[in-house]
Amino acid sequence: EIVLTQSPGTLSLSPGERATLSCRASQSVSSSYLAWYQQKPGQAPRLLIYGASSRATGIPDRFSGSGSGTDFTLTISRLEPEDFAVYYCQQYGSSPGTFGQGTRLEIK
Amino acid sequence: EVQLVESGGGLVQPGRSLRLSCAASGFTFDDYAMHWVRQAPGKGLEWVSGISWNSGSIGYADSVKGRFTISRDNAKNSLYLQMNSLRAEDTALYYCAKDGVYCSSTSCPAGYYMDVWGKGTTVTVSS
Repeated sequence: EIVLTQSPGTLSLSPGERATLSCRASQSVSSSYLAWYQQKPGQAPRLLIYGASSRATGIPDRFSGSGSGTDFTLTISRLEPEDFAVYYCQQYGSSPGTFGQGTRLEIK
Repeated sequence: EVQLVESGGGLVQPGRSLRLSCAASGFTFDDYAMHWVRQAPGKGLEWVSGISWNSGSIGYADSVKGRFTISRDNAKNSLYLQMNSLRAEDTALYYCAKDGVYCSSTSCPAGYYMDVWGKGTTVTVSS
């Protein structure tokens, strides 16, 4: 199965700053079948990005995804207070689908 | 409004069985694959199983293969997860999730990404 490694484990930033989250796959993710999710404490995950770079419905344009092959990035251009959460990447190009271990984005 | 409501969780002894259910509403259930995803306490997300709209394609995580069975009843807009031979490491919050890709052909895969999630049902395996 494809192993996804997210970095950093924890990212400490201030509102208004730019956040860059990385997701690296142990082998190429076919057709850029990679998604990003946001999860806040006590809540279910929320889809942010699919197909590596397509924003899900209702997701603000400060969230963007990029990458292909084995290296993918989620960028939040200007952090809002509500963006501080845990972020997961997920590949769905090969079965079984797998998640990364998550990156915690915390307020500095 | 698209809604997914899980039920059936609880406390169960190791080796016993449990059946989870997920009631779907607000969308055409048999146009989409469905998933179960779990999250152990304080841990990350783990995809458990997925099923295509017509049950023609089914997939499982290696950790549950041979013990868990996913199924769906399109007439009842419901998804199920039969969990047998439960272990302590199966303790988690189990989410039902809708697939994000419309696929109604006869050869759809067991799912892609998840665009709508339920609130989850908790399964605790302990003696």
